[in-house]
Amino acid sequence: QQQVKQSPQSLIVQKGGISIINCAYENTAFDYFPWYQQFPGKGPALLIAIRPDVSEKKEGRFTISFNKSAKQFSLHIMDSQPGDSATYFCAASIGGANNLFFGTGTRLTVIP
Amino acid sequence: EAGVTQFPSHSVIEKGQTVTLRCDPISGHDNLYWYRRVMGKEIKFLLHFVKESKQDESGMPNNRFLAERTGGTYSTLKVQPAELEDSGVYFCASSQDLGSYGYTFGSGTRLTVV
Repeated sequence: QQQVKQSPQSLIVQKGGISIINCAYENTAFDYFPWYQQFPGKGPALLIAIRPDVSEKKEGRFTISFNKSAKQFSLHIMDSQPGDSATYFCAASIGGANNLFFGTGTRLTVIP
Repeated sequence: EAGVTQFPSHSVIEKGQTVTLRCDPISGHDNLYWYRRVMGKEIKFLLHFVKESKQDESGMPNNRFLAERTGGTYSTLKVQPAELEDSGVYFCASSQDLGSYGYTFGSGTRLTVV
C-alpha cells in the first residue's frame, strides 16, 4: 500500500509559469514532509521541507503549502525556469524515524 | 566534503547471477540507508544501518538480499540470485544525526537483470 500519493506523473510548464505538484497521505503520524529534486544521473537532493505546525513555507521560488485537515501538501514553483526541469518527489516520515515514504515522482519539463 | 559514493553506476546481469553494490557514505556519518526505485514507482526504503548494526531492515524484499556494513564504514548490498523484478535504481544515503532530516543521497546504481 502506497503511503504517499503524488500527482501529476508529468508536467510541462512554460518558462515563467507556475508549476504545481500535489501529494496526499493517510498516516496522521507523519510529521515531516520534504520535497526532493532529482536531476538525471544524480541522486535525490533535499529541496524544501515542512512540518505540520505551519501551513506554508517559502524558500526563494519554492513554496510548500500544507493542509493538515485534508492530509495534502503541494509544491509550487514560481517563475519556473528551464533549469528547474527535473523529477520531483514528495515524501513523508515520522519524526525521529529514519525511513522516508516517497511519492512516485513528477517529471517536470520547463520549456523556454 | 565528499558526497555519498556508489558503484558501480550501472550493472547488467543475467537472471540467477550475483551482484554486489557498494556505498561509501560521507565520512563521519553513522547512519546509512538503502533505498530502491523500480521503474515508474516510488523510491522505497530497504534498510538502515547505525554504524555496523542493522537498525531497521523492514524494507528488505526477501532473503535474496543481504546488506553488510563493515566496521561502520562502507556498505554492500548483495543480491543472490538476482531475479528480473530486482531491476531498478538502488540508492544509498547517509546522515550524521538520527532521523531523516539530513539525508544525503548518492547517485545510485542502476541494476538491470536480463
